[in-house]
Amino acid sequence: DAKTTQPPSMDCAEGRAANLPCNHSTISGNEYVYWYRQIHSQGPQYIIHGLKNNETNEMASLIITEDRKSSTLILPHATLRDTAVYYCIVREVTGNQFYFGTGTSLTVIP
Amino acid sequence: DTGVSQDPRHKITKRGQNVTFRCDPISEHNRLYWYRQTLGQGPEFLTYFQNEAQLEKSRLLSDRFSAERPKGSFSTLEIQRTEQGDSAMYLCASSPGGRISYNEQFFGPGTRLTVL
Repeated sequence: DAKTTQPPSMDCAEGRAANLPCNHSTISGNEYVYWYRQIHSQGPQYIIHGLKNNETNEMASLIITEDRKSSTLILPHATLRDTAVYYCIVREVTGNQFYFGTGTSLTVIP
Repeated sequence: DTGVSQDPRHKITKRGQNVTFRCDPISEHNRLYWYRQTLGQGPEFLTYFQNEAQLEKSRLLSDRFSAERPKGSFSTLEIQRTEQGDSAMYLCASSPGGRISYNEQFFGPGTRLTVL
C-alpha cells in the first residue's frame, strides 16, 4: 500500500519552479524516498531518490525534511514537457516493488 | 527510451481469449518486474524476477495470469480466459540489482490491453 500523501493536482507557470510536496509521516529509517513521473501514455520515468540528505541531479532537486516525514521535489524551470503525473514513493532498502499511489498531476501552463 | 521494450504496444482481444505479452529488459539487468495500471491509478505491482527465478507475486496475480523468464533475459506475461476487468496497461521494468541503495527501476512503454 502507498505510504505517501500527495495533492492530486497542481499548476505551474512555464519557466517558474515547480514545487511538488509529499508527506510520508510513517517512513522508517531504512526507507528511501523515490520520485518518478509518468507522461501521458508512457511508462514511469525515474527522477531522483534520497535517504535523508538533499539530492540534486540534472532533472530535479529533492529536499527531505530533517525528521524525514515530508519531502519536496523541485523542478527549477518548468517546461511544457514537464506536464505529467508525479509519484512520490517510499521503499525499503531491500524492497523490490514500488507502491505508486495516485500521484500529483502537474500541468505546466504557457 | 529507457532501453526496456515491450511487445505488442496495443492488444485488443475478445473476452475469453488468451493473450501473451513480451518484455525485453536492459541487457545487463538481472531484475525484472511486471506492473498493471488502470485508468486514473498508479501502477500496481504484479510480480518480480531475479534472473530466471520468480521471487515475488502479488495477490493481484490470479491463477489466470502466469509470467516466465526462462533464460533470465526476456519475460512473458500470459493472461488466460481474459475478462473485461483485465483491460489495463501492463508495464514491465528492469533494474540492475547489485547496489541495493541504487535499485531504481527502468520502465518500458507498456502494452495496452483492451478486452471486448
